[in-house]
Amino acid sequence: QQPVQSPQAVILREGEDAVINCSSSKALYSVHWYRQKHGEAPVFLMILLKGGEQKGHEKISASFNEKKQQSSLYLTASQLSYSGTYFCGTVRGGGSQGNLIFGKGTKLSVKP
Amino acid sequence: NAGVTQTPKFRILKIGQSMTLQCTQDMNHNYMYWYRQDPGMGLKLIYYSVGAGITDKGEVPNGYNVSRSTTEDFPLRLELAAPSQTSVYFCASSYGGYGNQPQHFGDGTRLSIL
Repeated sequence: QQPVQSPQAVILREGEDAVINCSSSKALYSVHWYRQKHGEAPVFLMILLKGGEQKGHEKISASFNEKKQQSSLYLTASQLSYSGTYFCGTVRGGGSQGNLIFGKGTKLSVKP
Repeated sequence: NAGVTQTPKFRILKIGQSMTLQCTQDMNHNYMYWYRQDPGMGLKLIYYSVGAGITDKGEVPNGYNVSRSTTEDFPLRLELAAPSQTSVYFCASSYGGYGNQPQHFGDGTRLSIL
């Protein structure tokens, strides 16, 4: 089942903060976050695993509430380069092939 | 480092034609994936492979076929192209496949079926 992302779109001024949410109706093993700029490939940002382990860029902050099957991506002091569409991908289960199911994305626009 | 390389970058096909989208990776990843991306819909998994000679269906496999004869290559075949297959196709690879490893994406193939 496709995770639900919110908001669908957000516009920021440089230096402002934003939170992007990802919610699933199923128990999750991990949540992935990717950013895609227009016309380009998605780029990996972070993985949050059941049990608290995180992998990813040091400058990216995110949380994973296993009980609520929710994850949030925190973008602080936004820069123009943060603009793009952010996708969460969720993985159910663990210890077997865990394919990503992606949300529809959140479009972030950072203005000067 | 090349990473994941997809060819061609753009292609226009006529209805009923066939073609193969090429994907190769130089990271020695066992896991490879094909996604399609339609506007506003996120990425949908078409097929995936856990190693040479092993492939399996994803969420939207109808109208597509894959093969994996080597670790490096994972081509996607479209038979009898239909307008519904107009999309952007991304190939990806990962070191592991248990949801705890990042996926690395190619630059995509933009395909139009007319």
